[in-house]
Amino acid sequence: QKEVEQDPGPLSVPEGAIVSLNCTYSNSAFQYFMWYRQYSRKGPELLMYTYSSGNKEDGRFTAQVDKSSKYISLFIRDSQPSDSATYLCAIAAGSEKLVFGKGTKLTVNP
Amino acid sequence: DADVTQTPRNRITKTGKRIMLECSQTKGHDRMYWYRQDPGLGLRLIYYSFDVKDINKGEISDGYSVSRQAQAKFSLSLESAIPNQTALYFCATGGLAGGRNTGELFFGEGSRLTVL
Repeated sequence: QKEVEQDPGPLSVPEGAIVSLNCTYSNSAFQYFMWYRQYSRKGPELLMYTYSSGNKEDGRFTAQVDKSSKYISLFIRDSQPSDSATYLCAIAAGSEKLVFGKGTKLTVNP
Repeated sequence: DADVTQTPRNRITKTGKRIMLECSQTKGHDRMYWYRQDPGLGLRLIYYSFDVKDINKGEISDGYSVSRQAQAKFSLSLESAIPNQTALYFCATGGLAGGRNTGELFFGEGSRLTVL
């Protein structure tokens, strides 16, 4: 079993839809949970970061972590065409290195 | 100017040639990383360095070497390039944030390498 599993999609939604992106992980030692956004022909950039179970909200984005189920989610409310990108989950056990999911490509259609 | 700068941004080369990708950063981070990204495979770690005297192999280091010339510079070399090394390569940096290293990484814009 891979350390981090992420459905690659692609996912296509209409503008204004609620988007749910998910990852599962296998190592219970993971304690840092992140979501990166990568626009076409650009490097990934950090979107959300959480350290514990529960929800963290930032504008239209909500990151959710369920350590008991080893499941993390990113919700995007009122999705916009500018949200079209690849979203990668990333998880770390400590400060050494991140393990990335393969990324989910999202397209928001006007 | 970008915090993490990669050169070249695009390179086409032939099988057997030696290639060097360079990375420099102005963030003052101690940790630097090289990843490659392939469609369907995501980001895979090639090498990482926690300081100038520390070099570590990642999950796919075969066929690659690195040099940490200074805290701000980390280069990736392909001694004899082969076609399956055609990929998008990213340099990233990381370090302390609020007194704790959270693992957050800052990426460059990428170097697209094509080996014919």
